[in-house]
Amino acid sequence: QVQLVQSGAEVKKPGASVKVSCKASGYTFTSYAIHWVRQAPGQRLEWMGWINTGNGNTKYSQKFQGRVTFSRDTTASTVYLELSSLTSGDTAVYSCARERRADYSFDPWGQGTLVTVSS
Amino acid sequence: DVVMTQSPLSLPVTPGEPASISCRSSQSLLHSNGYNYLDWYLQKSGQSPQLLIFLGSNRASGVPARFSGSGSGTDFTLRISRVEAEDVGVYYCMQALQSPRTFGQGTKLEIK
Repeated sequence: QVQLVQSGAEVKKPGASVKVSCKASGYTFTSYAIHWVRQAPGQRLEWMGWINTGNGNTKYSQKFQGRVTFSRDTTASTVYLELSSLTSGDTAVYSCARERRADYSFDPWGQGTLVTVSS
Repeated sequence: DVVMTQSPLSLPVTPGEPASISCRSSQSLLHSNGYNYLDWYLQKSGQSPQLLIFLGSNRASGVPARFSGSGSGTDFTLRISRVEAEDVGVYYCMQALQSPRTFGQGTKLEIK
């Protein structure tokens, strides 16, 4: 079945970077865009951007521009999110989600990766 | 950015009773192709969100018929005809028309 499996929880110090992976299976990896969404404690879901898994093109939310990088490894059917210059405000669950081509909805989602930023 | 506003934020419901959640957008989500790019997701405790409704009123695969979506333009509603215990969680609307994608605050449905 179609599935997105993310890497495990991370604990980082302020100023550090984190890299989260999202491995796809059950479908043709390069045929569907992957989006990244995060949810900080008590906050609503926040869209971070997306990557075209076919050509590697990316679009980032203005909020994260300059601090976030999406990449992909087509041989491993895996997408990566790297976020730099972490602050406590970046403590959140980061989730990847596949975009359906017909209607742009997100299905399925990865299980989420908790990133904790603490000194 | 399109601002999404949900109400209520908390929804206690007796099993077997109906439930309704409103989602309003600051801009119309109606595309020139006639579709409303509004989705509904349910996030159960400890899980990632799952797609319930897409294009405003279409149930995703495997979603029970008791769930329905309606509305157009800027005003949308998710209805559950008879709430069951497994429906507990946080419901989010999301607009898929414009970048950046934006979500509502979430509505927490709990069983009375």
